[in-house]
Amino acid sequence: SAVISQKPSRDICQRGTSLTIQCQVDSQVTMMFWYRQQPGQSLTLIATANQGSEATYESGFVIDKFPISRPNLTFSTLTVSNMSPEDSSIYLCSVRLAGNYEQYFGPGTRLTVT
Amino acid sequence: DAKTTQPPSMDCAEGRAANLPCNHSTISGNEYVYWYRQIHSQGPQYIIHGLKNNETNEMASLIITEDRKSSTLILPHATLRDTAVYYCIVRVPGGFYFGTGTSLTVIP
Repeated sequence: SAVISQKPSRDICQRGTSLTIQCQVDSQVTMMFWYRQQPGQSLTLIATANQGSEATYESGFVIDKFPISRPNLTFSTLTVSNMSPEDSSIYLCSVRLAGNYEQYFGPGTRLTVT
Repeated sequence: DAKTTQPPSMDCAEGRAANLPCNHSTISGNEYVYWYRQIHSQGPQYIIHGLKNNETNEMASLIITEDRKSSTLILPHATLRDTAVYYCIVRVPGGFYFGTGTSLTVIP
C-alpha cells in the first residue's frame, strides 16, 4: 500500500492568486495523478504527473492553468494559477505502485476561492 | 475508454446485503473492473477489482457477467458505515475515469 499526504489540507484564496499543492508518498511509485472534485460532483482526472518530463493533461485542462511538477518518484506539486471562484474544489493526488492494480488516493486539499 | 453506468442512488437496510449494479457494455478484453467508494469528504477507497472471474475479499464480492458487460458489487451485511458513494470504474492505461457513482444509504 501507499500512504499519501497532501499540503495544505485546505485553504481560502483570493481570486487572481495562485496556490501550489504538494503531494508526498511514503514509497516510490510509478504513476502519480491529480484529480479535481467540484462540489457535489464526481472526480475528474486533471493530469498524469510524469517524472522528469511534462505532465500529460486531460481534455479541458492546460499547463498554463494547472502546472505540475514531479521531480522524483515520491513527490509532486499541482499549482492552480490565476484562481477564480470556479476553481473552488477538492484537489486529490493519487498514485499507482509498480505491479499493483490498486490506485491510492490522498486525503485531498479543499480549496475555496473568494 | 469504456464508460460505466450506475443508478444514482440506492437504499439498503442495515444487516442486509447491498447489491450495486454497473453496466460497462463497451468494455474491452483486457480492461479490469474496479470498485471504489468515497465516504463524505474523504479520498476514494479501494474495494475490489476483477477481470472476468468473480472475486471476494474481506469487504465485498464482485460478480462479473460472462459477457463482461455488467457487474455487481455485493456488500454482504451492510452497516451504517457503508453509507457512501460507490464508483464502478473500467481501468484503462493511466488514471481512472470516474463516473457519477451510486450513492448508497444504509438505513437503520
